[in-house]
Amino acid sequence: AQSVAQPEDQVNVAEGNPLTVKCTYSVSGNPYLFWYVQYPNRGLQFLLKYITGDNLVKGSYGFEAEFNKSQTSFHLKKPSALVSDSASYFCAVRDYILTGGGNKLTFGTGTQLKVEL
Amino acid sequence: DSGVTQTPKHLITATGQRVTLRCSPRSGDLSVYWYQQSLDQGLQFLIQYYNGEERAKGNILERFSAQQFPDLHSELNLSSLELGDSALYFCASSKSGGGLNTGELFFGEGSRLTVL
Repeated sequence: AQSVAQPEDQVNVAEGNPLTVKCTYSVSGNPYLFWYVQYPNRGLQFLLKYITGDNLVKGSYGFEAEFNKSQTSFHLKKPSALVSDSASYFCAVRDYILTGGGNKLTFGTGTQLKVEL
Repeated sequence: DSGVTQTPKHLITATGQRVTLRCSPRSGDLSVYWYQQSLDQGLQFLIQYYNGEERAKGNILERFSAQQFPDLHSELNLSSLELGDSALYFCASSKSGGGLNTGELFFGEGSRLTVL
């Protein structure tokens, strides 16, 4: 089964500083990787995805992610953090279900990002 | 607004009871997914339906069941509720549902279930 790991429960950064939220993956075959954001008491919102192609993927709200095959990582980055970026961020990998032909997203445990003034 | 509608937003019930959570997917989406989010378990995949048929099953308890109707809305039924079933239940949808689906999932706002 495919899996992702987020090693940090919480990341604190000052507004205006660059931010990185880490994710590593374990897959067989080519990975399909995703980042989602969850604001308090809200559903998950899609930020970006890597399927194939350029290793640097650009997404919503100025976020980007770097796919690194040799390090099996897919870290989320933003050049300049905003207080409004404070939320929980989830890395995910698409997993195929051979029986039934279905699929699902398997999520990491999430990283809470706190951006302070 | 993701376009995925979930009702009810909040639900408080007692142990042993049964509840039904409802989800309407985005217009045009054929696939519906159910997830459970709790502090100790994180986001757990429960089940996927595609155009009315079950396609994938995850960590769904036998006390739980789901279905997708011809109009593509889905219901998640939770019975013989226990304290540990208290969680946020999310529905998500996508256009396709097979193994080659590389698209993102669109999540609803969730139904918060509290079992007392």
